[in-house]
Amino acid sequence: KNEVEQSPQNLTAQEGEFITINCSYSVGISALHWLQQHPGGGIVSLFMLSSGKKKHGRLIATINIQEKHSSLHITASHPRDSAVYICAVLKGGAQKLVFGQGTRLTINP
Amino acid sequence: EADIYQTPRYLVIGTGKKITLECSQTMGHDKMYWYQQDPGMELHLIHYSYGVNSTEKGDLSSESTVSRIRTEHFPLTLESARPSHTSQYLCASSTLAGGNYNEQFFGPGTRLTVL
Repeated sequence: KNEVEQSPQNLTAQEGEFITINCSYSVGISALHWLQQHPGGGIVSLFMLSSGKKKHGRLIATINIQEKHSSLHITASHPRDSAVYICAVLKGGAQKLVFGQGTRLTINP
Repeated sequence: EADIYQTPRYLVIGTGKKITLECSQTMGHDKMYWYQQDPGMELHLIHYSYGVNSTEKGDLSSESTVSRIRTEHFPLTLESARPSHTSQYLCASSTLAGGNYNEQFFGPGTRLTVL
């Protein structure tokens, strides 16, 4: 079983819909990354958080340390949000990331 | 804004050739990483460095080697490329900032195809 599990693996929605991507992990962590990877392959760091909630534009990330769960929300989704969203955790005591398998999001106009 | 660069972005090369993938960052980060990613799959750490003259193998076994002679530069070398090395290679860097965790910044990646 992977230490980091994301759901769903694939998500297709219409423009304007509210999107939620979930991430569960089974190890102790010091922080959690949400990353975005576009078809060209480059990766952009969206958030790094260790507690609570962070917001940047239409993106919101939350984490519940007790439940070992994080969510990434996108409000008013747009076709340009289409990408693979990756959850990665920094394992407690280590300085290496462990990655989820990614969620492929497609927003149709 | 992250300043981490990789060259080349795309490389198609024949079996048996020696290749070096370049990665440079201008942020003064002490930690650097190489990841390998096959299409549609998750990233796997193949090498990392916590500073000059420090290199370690990652979680995924790789025939590549790395060096860290300068803080800003972390090249990856394959002595004899094989088709099984075909993949995307992503470089990242981080530094201890504001606590005991490190946000990683990624380069654009090198897509390697070995024929």
